[in-house]
Amino acid sequence: EAQVTQNPRYLITVTGKKLTVTCSQNMNHEYMSWYRQDPGLGLRQIYYSMNVEVTDKGDVPEGYKVSRKEKRNFPLILESPSPNQTSLYFCASSPQGAYQPQHFGDGTRLSIL
Amino acid sequence: SQQGEEDPQALSIQEGENATMNCSYKTSINNLQWYRQNSGRGLVHLILIRSNEREKHSGRLRVTLDTSKKSSSLLITASRAADTASYFCATDAFAAGNKLTFGGGTRVLVKP
Repeated sequence: EAQVTQNPRYLITVTGKKLTVTCSQNMNHEYMSWYRQDPGLGLRQIYYSMNVEVTDKGDVPEGYKVSRKEKRNFPLILESPSPNQTSLYFCASSPQGAYQPQHFGDGTRLSIL
Repeated sequence: SQQGEEDPQALSIQEGENATMNCSYKTSINNLQWYRQNSGRGLVHLILIRSNEREKHSGRLRVTLDTSKKSSSLLITASRAADTASYFCATDAFAAGNKLTFGGGTRVLVKP
């Protein structure tokens, strides 16, 4: 089954404790991206990647890092999480770019205390 | 920045009625997409309309695009309780590289 898998689905942690949210897709997609969703703000793109070793900033990249060492994986790293990063995070992928339908994961709800 | 702005923010209708929501955007786009999100779940792609298209249909969905007004509408005909969800528009543009920008969404409640 074609899918985008995020882990963990839920995480409660404390300020400053580094965390990684993993994202994996099994569709051989080149384009992957991360979004955060906050009430009233819709989804805002954090980072995206056109292919292995190619990443670019989205609209809200501050406080986040990403890497794309393999085509299928696109982890989101919060080196020093802060409470304003408490949010619902989504990973998505598409064959080649933003101009195509995106396949979304089920989301990761992060609470930073 | 939010490229797309949805209107209304929330909509409540009876089953069987039509639901219409609008999306406005600020800069020229390549494509506009509509997505559905059931409560707390990932987004599901509904329909994509290119900047040179004016109307598209998919089942009970009808999307229009007016590039002169920088707006799009999504019509769901003969709504069902299962259509209860949030609906988002998303745009991509040459000027924005490979970014995809979402609007704030419209929450639709279909009452049985």
